[in-house]
Amino acid sequence: AQKITQTQPGMFVQEKEAVTLDCTYDTSDQSYGLFWYKQPSSGEMIFLIYQGSYDEQNATEGRYSLNFQKARKSANLVISASQLGDSAMYFCATYSGGGADGLTFGKGTHLIIQP
Amino acid sequence: DVKVTQSSRYLVKRTGEKVFLECVQDMDHENMFWYRQDPGLGLRLIYFSYDVKMKEKGDIPEGYSVSREKKERFSLILESASTNQTSMYLCASSLGGRRETQYFGPGTRLLVL
Repeated sequence: AQKITQTQPGMFVQEKEAVTLDCTYDTSDQSYGLFWYKQPSSGEMIFLIYQGSYDEQNATEGRYSLNFQKARKSANLVISASQLGDSAMYFCATYSGGGADGLTFGKGTHLIIQP
Repeated sequence: DVKVTQSSRYLVKRTGEKVFLECVQDMDHENMFWYRQDPGLGLRLIYFSYDVKMKEKGDIPEGYSVSREKKERFSLILESASTNQTSMYLCASSLGGRRETQYFGPGTRLLVL
């Protein structure tokens, strides 16, 4: 079974600083993808960024970028110039494997941006 | 933009009631999913659907059923609600084909008393 590990239960970061959220994965699939989602206190799960295992470049989306290190099986999310509105839970996810379309999520990191 | 809506943000029901959670997407997505999210357990897949009238069990289907009569609508049914079904329920949709990005709705917080 696929597994996502997020080792940081919570982080406090000063506004305007860059922040890196860790994600390591374990998958039996040769071709796979990694997703990052943001969940504010309102509850909605917001898609941020996607990295395919065969993508040559690290994914970027505005202030979000993915530090993908395949050999280390890590896909860390980097948020540049953090803002107060970035305070939320962040989840790393991958396909559940076996051809199934569901996602397997990590336990999440609670990010708090301080002014 | 993808828009996934869920019929209720908050719902309070009594044990034994039949509960319907509705999810609608407006992007003509083929695939739709229901997850539940619990502290310490994370998100777990309940059911998903690839097409109208098609359904597949996820990791925790017991106590739930689903209905997909129209492409844009995917309903989760709790036949006889129990207190252990108190949870946050999240609906998602994605394009047809395998392993597309899933877009989520705002979630329904269900409390079963």
